[in-house]
Amino acid sequence: ELKVEQNPLFLSMQEGKNYTIYCNYSTTSDRLYWYRQDPGKSLESLFVLLSNGAVKQEGRLMASLDTKARLSTLHITAAVHDLSATYFCAVDEGGGSQGNLIFGKGTKLSVKP
Amino acid sequence: DSGVTQTPKHLITATGQRVTLRCSPRSGDLSVYWYQQSLDQGLQFLIQYYNGEERAKGNILERFSAQQFPDLHSELNLSSLELGDSALYFCASSVWSSSYNEQFFGPGTRLTVL
Repeated sequence: ELKVEQNPLFLSMQEGKNYTIYCNYSTTSDRLYWYRQDPGKSLESLFVLLSNGAVKQEGRLMASLDTKARLSTLHITAAVHDLSATYFCAVDEGGGSQGNLIFGKGTKLSVKP
Repeated sequence: DSGVTQTPKHLITATGQRVTLRCSPRSGDLSVYWYQQSLDQGLQFLIQYYNGEERAKGNILERFSAQQFPDLHSELNLSSLELGDSALYFCASSVWSSSYNEQFFGPGTRLTVL
């Protein structure tokens, strides 16, 4: 059974600081996705990582994938309040025959001034 | 706005009742997924349809069923509702290929069972 573990589950940061969220998974997948969810809202796709060594950046967020270590990271640079949300990583379980995603429990990020 | 629509936004009903949740995927997407999000279980995959056919099943209860119609919209039917079925139900859609499966989520239906 595919397991996806995120840590930390809760993260309180000060504005301007840097931090990294980790996502470990238990299968040999090379497709990993990061989503953002604001309270009471839907999930918004942030990054799609499709190969070992993939790195994507958008604003203050940068995501990377190491398929050999079965690890993805989401790095936050110089956090601002607008980044406060819950961040989920998800791994494609099906390997091509089906397409469901298995999600981590999410990291609730709170950025304080 | 992801382009995925879900109705209704909110649903309040009683135990033992049956409800239907509706989802319309993004234009061009053939694959539809249903997920349940609750505080204790997190985001759980329920079921996937691709071009009208069931493709994958997750932790979907026997009291729940789904289908995808020829116009590609999907419905999730929940019956004999229990208090524990209260959750946010998301529909997602994707183009879906063997190498790419970015899923776009609808706004969700919040189900409250009293």
